[in-house]
Amino acid sequence: DTEVTQTPKHLVMGMTNKKSLKCEQHMGHRAMYWYKQKAKKPPELMFVYSYEKLSINESVPSRFSPECPNSSLLNLHLHALQPEDSALYLCASSQEGPYEQYFGPGTRLTVT
Amino acid sequence: QKEVEQDPGPLSVPEGAIVSLNCTYSNSAFQYFMWYRQYSRKGPELLMYTYSSGNKEDGRFTAQVDKSSKYISLFIRDSQPSDSATYLCATSTIPNAGGTSYGKLTFGQGTILTVHP
Repeated sequence: DTEVTQTPKHLVMGMTNKKSLKCEQHMGHRAMYWYKQKAKKPPELMFVYSYEKLSINESVPSRFSPECPNSSLLNLHLHALQPEDSALYLCASSQEGPYEQYFGPGTRLTVT
Repeated sequence: QKEVEQDPGPLSVPEGAIVSLNCTYSNSAFQYFMWYRQYSRKGPELLMYTYSSGNKEDGRFTAQVDKSSKYISLFIRDSQPSDSATYLCATSTIPNAGGTSYGKLTFGQGTILTVHP
């Protein structure tokens, strides 16, 4: 099974709200990723977790806070977002190394 | 210049046509290559993964890599309307000694494909 699940599918939040995006995989992958994708653009890497430790932070603003509670779960906590943060947020996982990444269906976030 | 160049299209073909999608890259450190299909408002779906020059076939899909020319292709035979999507090529490097280069895919811009009945 190569499934990565994400909840919620859609999220609308105001600029003062706090919300969280969730991601889960059961493939035994030890690397998990958050990407942001704007319309008609490729995904942009935000964070990489390897063995539940933050490995890469692509200079993402602190209003995005990732968390990896265990090897199967990945959260992205959102606070005080801006309208320009509206996008499709994708989670992915892979074996550690330069291997293929499997993406979830994404959470479509709208910031009002 | 982008590290991975991909013609964004759009590309429109009749059902049953052979589709050729292409990317070029500039960084010789790219050694791993992927093709993803992304339907509108969905996450990318992995179609092909390869790390060697030559061809790799999976059903109607063939991935071709030419490392000497830094050129990668995806061929779709007997294209179907259900193949209408955006196709993204992606590359990855060999991990460096610090182990931080893994996990960083470099994507092309994506090619929008429409297969009409």
